Amino acid sequence: DAEITQSPRHKITETGRQVTLACHQTWNHNNMFWYRQDLGHGLRLIHYSYGVQDTNKGEVSDGYSVSRSNTEDLPLTLESAASSQTSVYFCASSVDSSSYNEQFFGPGTRLTVL
Amino acid sequence: TQLLEQSPQFLSIQEGENLTVYCNSSSVFSSLQWYRQEPGEGPVLLVTVVTGGEVKKLKRLTFQFGDARKDSSLHITAAQPGDTGLYLCAGALRTGANNLFFGTGTRLTVIP
Repeated sequence: DAEITQSPRHKITETGRQVTLACHQTWNHNNMFWYRQDLGHGLRLIHYSYGVQDTNKGEVSDGYSVSRSNTEDLPLTLESAASSQTSVYFCASSVDSSSYNEQFFGPGTRLTVL
Repeated sequence: TQLLEQSPQFLSIQEGENLTVYCNSSSVFSSLQWYRQEPGEGPVLLVTVVTGGEVKKLKRLTFQFGDARKDSSLHITAAQPGDTGLYLCAGALRTGANNLFFGTGTRLTVIP
């Protein structure tokens, strides 16, 4: 069955370190998204991609970067981790060219920055 | 400032009670979706509403899209412990838009 996976599921790191969170989907979806989830804010969009070599900034992109070298993967990198980036991170994907795009989510990565 | 505000943020009720969750915005949306998220998992789509005034029913859950397409509500009848979770609304600003704007979320606990 097609799925979307994230790794690691839990990560503890120190302030200033570079961290990369992996996202892999086997739906063959063109669109992929990274969100962070914090209490009282719901899901906020960090970066998104509509296809290979395409990346775009979301509403909370500062301090984060992504790259899309193939359809299946969209890794999220924190260049220099900060305590404010402690959060739960979700990756999602969706079909392109659909009128009402359902997003399929991964199980999340809980990141703690000490 | 979130584009979509949900209320209440937290809701704790007894099994068998009815409840309504609200999702409001000052912006007009082409479509609106409701997701449910259980602990340790990602959100899962429940329903999409696309027409102003539209009402959709999913067993004990009733979803309504406001006439002006700026708001939506989720009503649960005779809540059960299995309804416990985080409910998120999400809107698309135009038809075919790939990006969704998510609401602030309502955490529901149904006590047996």
